[in-house]
Amino acid sequence: QQQVKQSPQSLIVQKGGIPIINCAYENTAFDYFPWYQQFPGKGPALLIAIRPDVSEKKEGRFTISFNKSAKQFSLHIMDSQPGDSATYFCAASSLTGSSNTGKLIFGQGTTLQVKP
Amino acid sequence: KAGVTQTPRYLIKTRGQQVTLSCSPISGHRSVSWYQQTPGQGLQFLFEYFSETQRNKGNFPGRFSGRQFSNSRSEMNVSTLELGDSALYLCASSSGVTGLEQYFGPGTRLTVT
Repeated sequence: QQQVKQSPQSLIVQKGGIPIINCAYENTAFDYFPWYQQFPGKGPALLIAIRPDVSEKKEGRFTISFNKSAKQFSLHIMDSQPGDSATYFCAASSLTGSSNTGKLIFGQGTTLQVKP
Repeated sequence: KAGVTQTPRYLIKTRGQQVTLSCSPISGHRSVSWYQQTPGQGLQFLFEYFSETQRNKGNFPGRFSGRQFSNSRSEMNVSTLELGDSALYLCASSSGVTGLEQYFGPGTRLTVT
């Protein structure tokens, strides 16, 4: 119940394309869903996060779509650029409950390559 | 503000030894979480500290321990190193009470031979 399943494992798109990365969770207590971007040799960087009270959130070229009934959320990268080539991780947690403090459950990651 | 810093960046240790890793959070952040990242298991939560108290712990053996100081800096210790402990160890800091809006450091790459 603590798992977050992420797909696809890898993704190749052309510059300007819209890569979509999907995540699914089981624990209905989860109510905080961030996305991280990681470049080789660096730590993950927080991109954008969403709570279940909204179905979509945009920050720049990054959009999260959230489907509470399906227990799924996805990241869309608009007008993708070669500089977006990185590994992307979704995560989930609950903002309540002492067993969840400071603990993010991560998906397995998606390696994105954006070709020029 | 300066970001999260971790030292050392790289370590090579021998099986059976112990190691201490250090993390300095973003100024003003009181929560520090630690994660282990490996190609096979991905990012796994180790533990979280807030105001010098461990509030949460992941499913790792007791060889993995940590602490937090009054200035919010944190250390983690791994005793009796095993080959399988080779990984990137990441710490993340957060300003909020929930400790969930996390900002990661660059990590410490530990290699156990």
